[in-house]
Amino acid sequence: GNSVTQMEGPVTLSEEAFLTINCTYTATGYPSLFWYVQYPGEGLQLLLKATKADDKGSNKGFEATYRKETTSFHLEKGSVQVSDSAVYFCALKLSSGGSNYKLTFGKGTLLTVNP
Amino acid sequence: DVKVTQSSRYLVKRTGEKVFLECVQDMDHENMFWYRQDPGLGLRLIYFSYDVKMKEKGDIPEGYSVSREKKERFSLILESASTNQTSMYLCASSGRRSGIREKLFFGSGTQLSVL
Repeated sequence: GNSVTQMEGPVTLSEEAFLTINCTYTATGYPSLFWYVQYPGEGLQLLLKATKADDKGSNKGFEATYRKETTSFHLEKGSVQVSDSAVYFCALKLSSGGSNYKLTFGKGTLLTVNP
Repeated sequence: DVKVTQSSRYLVKRTGEKVFLECVQDMDHENMFWYRQDPGLGLRLIYFSYDVKMKEKGDIPEGYSVSREKKERFSLILESASTNQTSMYLCASSGRRSGIREKLFFGSGTQLSVL
């Protein structure tokens, strides 16, 4: 079946540190890939996406590249801020068939950034 | 500002009670979803609806039912609440057109405790 595996958290960094959160996937077919972010007390919101191999999604200084050969979509940011503290979810969606309404999420990675 | 509104932020119910969780969206979205979020398990899809009166089971539908009588409202029903249904419940919606249906808009969640 389809699944997403994220690195275990929590991740604790100092402000301005480099961030990587690993994400790998298993899917039948050719999925679209996403990162969602959940700030404390809020629902999830879409951070970035990539719909085909070698696409790079970017937003708010975060980036992730769709690597088909390694089935990965790692999230990176060059310099994190305290306001980036949140839970980050990697997700996939198949592009066709009866499951194309459905996103499959990873378990989430808690990031805490200290001043 | 687009919104997905869940009726309660916190809810405490007793075992065996019938529980209704309500969700309303103001974006005229066709698709609506109910997820539950548990530590270490991430988000799991309970049910989704792609049109009024239409519903499909997600990954963990057992013990739940849903109702969508109007486009803007999607209700999750626990027919007889049990302690293992203690969880954070997240409602989400999305449009139907390709390219936007994977952008889910989430509510802030309802933390349900079943005693």
